[in-house]
Amino acid sequence: QAQLVESGGGVVRPGRSLRLSCAASHFIFTNYAIHWVRQAPGKGLEWVGVISSDGSDKYFAGSVQGRFTLSRDNSKTTVFLQMTSLRDEDTALYYCARDSTLSLRFASLDAFDIWGQGTMVTVSS
Amino acid sequence: DIQMTQSPSAMSASVGDRVTITCRASQDISNFLAWFQQKPGKVPKRLIYAASNLQSGVPSRFSGSGSGTEFTLTISSLQPEDFATYFCLQHKTYPQTFGQGTKLEIK
Repeated sequence: QAQLVESGGGVVRPGRSLRLSCAASHFIFTNYAIHWVRQAPGKGLEWVGVISSDGSDKYFAGSVQGRFTLSRDNSKTTVFLQMTSLRDEDTALYYCARDSTLSLRFASLDAFDIWGQGTMVTVSS
Repeated sequence: DIQMTQSPSAMSASVGDRVTITCRASQDISNFLAWFQQKPGKVPKRLIYAASNLQSGVPSRFSGSGSGTEFTLTISSLQPEDFATYFCLQHKTYPQTFGQGTKLEIK
């Protein structure tokens, strides 16, 4: 069964950095883009960013543009979300989810079918 | 950015009721719209994709309709396990955007 597992969350002080991982298994990883979505405590869902299947293309929400970066290691079927200059408002549960689009230039109708269980990031002094 | 306006933000209903939740997009998104259900402490679960396609394994009492800018999620006969929060998502353009959610509670 296709699976995504996030890790790397924790408590970090404002201004510091953290790297999250999203490890995939039981599906053809190179056929999927990977999104990150976050959810602040008691709040709704916020799309964070996406990386294409080959890692060459990425998009980010305006709230994290310039502070967050995405990369992937297809040999290890893992995507990394590097978060820098963290702020209090980045405190959230971070999920990764897959998207069957082969190019971010063309939206897929089949996206977000599989999600990880999430990893919690708390930014606090 | 495309804004997704979801309504109502909260509602109460009884088992057996027919419920409709609406999402309006600020621009035409064709049918690049998905619906999710989230229960407290759980991962969002996709119910509907491409506006009207039922996710495998999801009960047929759930249905989606719409295209362009107006979309609806309908639950034909509410069951106890359906009390949850529901979100829509447009994934046509970046940044992709979620509706603010509809919390469905027991009357």
